[in-house]
Amino acid sequence: AQSVTQLGSHVSVSEGALVLLRCNYSSSVPPYLFWYVQYPNQGLQLLLKYTTGATLVKGINGFEAEFKKSETSFHLTKPSAHMSDAAEYFCAVSDNEAAGNKLTFGGGTRVLVKP
Amino acid sequence: EPEVTQTPSHQVTQMGQEVILRCVPISNHLYFYWYRQILGQKVEFLVSFYNNEISEKSEIFDDQFSVERPDGSNFTLKIRSTKLEDSAMYFCASRAVRGNNEKLFFGSGTQLSVL
Repeated sequence: AQSVTQLGSHVSVSEGALVLLRCNYSSSVPPYLFWYVQYPNQGLQLLLKYTTGATLVKGINGFEAEFKKSETSFHLTKPSAHMSDAAEYFCAVSDNEAAGNKLTFGGGTRVLVKP
Repeated sequence: EPEVTQTPSHQVTQMGQEVILRCVPISNHLYFYWYRQILGQKVEFLVSFYNNEISEKSEIFDDQFSVERPDGSNFTLKIRSTKLEDSAMYFCASRAVRGNNEKLFFGSGTQLSVL
């Protein structure tokens, strides 16, 4: 069985500061890892994904995440927060990259950006 | 970017009543999914659907639930006799043919409240 843990249900950052959202996973097979973002009144949007290859993955809106197998982590970062980054972020794991089928989600982290 | 459309955005029903949640996936997509998120809990996989049949379902998806693709554009989730614990945000998702674009597109959700 797969599981995802996101540390911190809420994170508050100042505009221009580093955004760091933590995600740890467990999986019995090589994982495929995803970060989704949900803006208010919108659906989940894919930010980035890790399947194989390069462990540092770049996504949309300046976000990136690094897959660390030894730490079973896939933390999401952005060097400089923007007000538009205020949203809820979900880490997810799947064992089927082609489908993204049966995603197992973390509990989400809501990001507040202070001016 | 193409969108998955869900209606209604909010649905209130009495316990024991039947509800149908509607989704219009992206037009050239062939794989369809329902997920749900109970307030304060994780987003959970319910069911996946391909070629007019369920390809996978979770333990949550019991006999009270059913899915249907009644025509070429809609994908519905029916709950036959709603319970209080069915109150949640329900997300529809779709993706294109395997091997092409594996990105999963989510709708903005239907908030179901069972009273």
